[in-house]
Amino acid sequence: DTGVSQDPRHKITKRGQNVTFRCDPISEHNRLYWYRQTLGQGPEFLTYFQNEAQLEKSRLLSDRFSAERPKGSFSTLEIQRTEQGDSAMYLCASSFFPGLETQYFGPGTRLLVL
Amino acid sequence: GENVEQHPSTLSVQEGDSAVIKCTYSDSASNYFPWYKQELGKRPQLIIDIRSNVGEKKDQRIAVTLNKTAKHFSLHITETQPEDSAVYFCAASFTGDDKIIFGKGTRLHILP
Repeated sequence: DTGVSQDPRHKITKRGQNVTFRCDPISEHNRLYWYRQTLGQGPEFLTYFQNEAQLEKSRLLSDRFSAERPKGSFSTLEIQRTEQGDSAMYLCASSFFPGLETQYFGPGTRLLVL
Repeated sequence: GENVEQHPSTLSVQEGDSAVIKCTYSDSASNYFPWYKQELGKRPQLIIDIRSNVGEKKDQRIAVTLNKTAKHFSLHITETQPEDSAVYFCAASFTGDDKIIFGKGTRLHILP
């Protein structure tokens, strides 16, 4: 499968714990995006990378959230001291820049904070 | 600020009829407008996109129109089929940020 992959697909954690998600983009894509999606809403932009550089972080992203893409390939999103409001689907997407700008999404990681 | 409004939030149409979903955007410099379809429990999938240098694009039963002056764009699905039932999201790019902002989605129900 040469599409975007994410791991894990599901995560249940207790409030206050830290969690880390991984995204593997399409191999030739240099841009990688993280989104959060709650029920009945569209994906909300969190942050994005071009190669290993993090170019923008949303104001939605509190300092408990951190993302990395150390080698310009896969990326990790860490949430520290999780809260119940963090429960959501975390989606990753990738694209090639400069190019058609089309973003291809991964299957997402569904997080439930108890 | 950066904003994409989408209407309606829910739409039910009889199988075989047409469906239209409308979106407006806030940044007059936006130049890329994709539409995604998301089935329950699955990832968003791109179904069609349009750039600001054209006013309309069609792909089989799906078409998108863009009115840059009014800052709105629409998705048209003709001859709807049961498999068209899903949530549809419009999105718009925001110049300088190279990111896209999504609307809240339209849940489309195709009635038998």
